[in-house]
Amino acid sequence: EDQVTQSPEALRLQEGESSSLNCSYTVSGLRGLFWYRQDPGKGPEFLFTLYSAGEEKEKERLKATLTKKESFLHITAPKPEDSATYLCAVVDDYKLSFGAGTTVTVRA
Amino acid sequence: AAGVIQSPRHLIKEKRETATLKCYPIPRHDTVYWYQQGPGQDPQFLISFYEKMQSDKGSIPDRFSAQQFSDYHSELNMSSLELGDSALYFCASSQIGGNVHEQYFGPGTRLTVT
Repeated sequence: EDQVTQSPEALRLQEGESSSLNCSYTVSGLRGLFWYRQDPGKGPEFLFTLYSAGEEKEKERLKATLTKKESFLHITAPKPEDSATYLCAVVDDYKLSFGAGTTVTVRA
Repeated sequence: AAGVIQSPRHLIKEKRETATLKCYPIPRHDTVYWYQQGPGQDPQFLISFYEKMQSDKGSIPDRFSAQQFSDYHSELNMSSLELGDSALYFCASSQIGGNVHEQYFGPGTRLTVT
């Protein structure tokens, strides 16, 4: 069974303090790795799709990278509005299998 | 851009009652997925439909059923509700044949069973 493990569980950052979130996965034949942002009580918001090792994608202060065994979400110079839970998911048939998420808190 | 619409946004039911959750996918999306998210947990896949046919089934209780209609909207029917069914229920949609696996989530329905 596919597994997705995210670390750390929680991350507290000072505004402007860059950091990285990790998502490691075990899957036979990766068909896509996804990053979502989720605010409390709201639906996951799609951020990135990565399909092959070496691929990178950027959006504002976020950059996602993919290797054969893990993905990183880099947050550069975060702002308080980047506070959220970041979920990683892999495609399992057509459904998504999620990791437990990393809750990021950015203090001003 | 149009997003996934879910209704109702909040629902309060008593034990043993029934509930119906509705999902309207993004226009031209032909696949709908239902997920359940308990407090502090990641979303768990329940069931999906492609072109009105059930395409995959996850950890959906037998008390729950779902279908996708000709206009591609979907409904999740929940019967004999239990306290443990209290959760956020998300619908997501995607377009098979396009970028297949990008699923876009709705705002969710918060179900509280008392």
